[in-house]
Amino acid sequence: DGGITQSPKYLFRKEGQNVTLSCEQNLNHDAMYWYRQDPGQGLRLIYYSQIVNDFQKGDIAEGYSVSREKKESFPLTVTSAQKNPTAFYLCASSTREYQETQYFGPGTRLLVL
Amino acid sequence: RKEVEQDPGPFNVPEGATVAFNCTYSNSASQSFFWYRQDCRKEPKLLMSVYSSGNEDGRFTAQLNRASQYISLLIRDSKLSDSATYLCVVKKGGGSYIPTFGRGTSLIVHP
Repeated sequence: DGGITQSPKYLFRKEGQNVTLSCEQNLNHDAMYWYRQDPGQGLRLIYYSQIVNDFQKGDIAEGYSVSREKKESFPLTVTSAQKNPTAFYLCASSTREYQETQYFGPGTRLLVL
Repeated sequence: RKEVEQDPGPFNVPEGATVAFNCTYSNSASQSFFWYRQDCRKEPKLLMSVYSSGNEDGRFTAQLNRASQYISLLIRDSKLSDSATYLCVVKKGGGSYIPTFGRGTSLIVHP
């Protein structure tokens, strides 16, 4: 089955620690995205990538980093510079056609110890 | 003014009721419109695309009003399982495929 997978489902971060969230898709989509969702809030775009080896900052990129070495993979690193990382992180992918929709992974819930 | 605005609700309705949500968008160049459903602590899932001519999928009807810059979602004969948050999504045209999400409207259907 085609789809998007994210791991882990839950992740705990200690103070000063960098953690990496995994996102993989087998939909052959060019574009991939990372969103953050806080309780009762909408989705905020962290980073997006249109093509391998290229990515752009979204609205709230500070304290995060990404890479796009393969079409299928778009990992997100939450660095120690992100002072309030507790949130629900969602990865999505799509084609680059404006009329096409996004497909989301099941999300990773990050908690700070 | 936010790019995409929704009434957060919650909308509390009894089973069998008809309920409608609106979503306004500020960019007149917007070309593509979608409704997503998000269950508690889950990822958003596409409910339906919204076409200029409107579209219907069972109990759900979506409409687009370009003149007033809003889209709507009508749910007829509400079920308990319809309880969720409904997200409005808008994409601009002109080569931009990055969507803008509304904050969502919460629907609670009670017995």
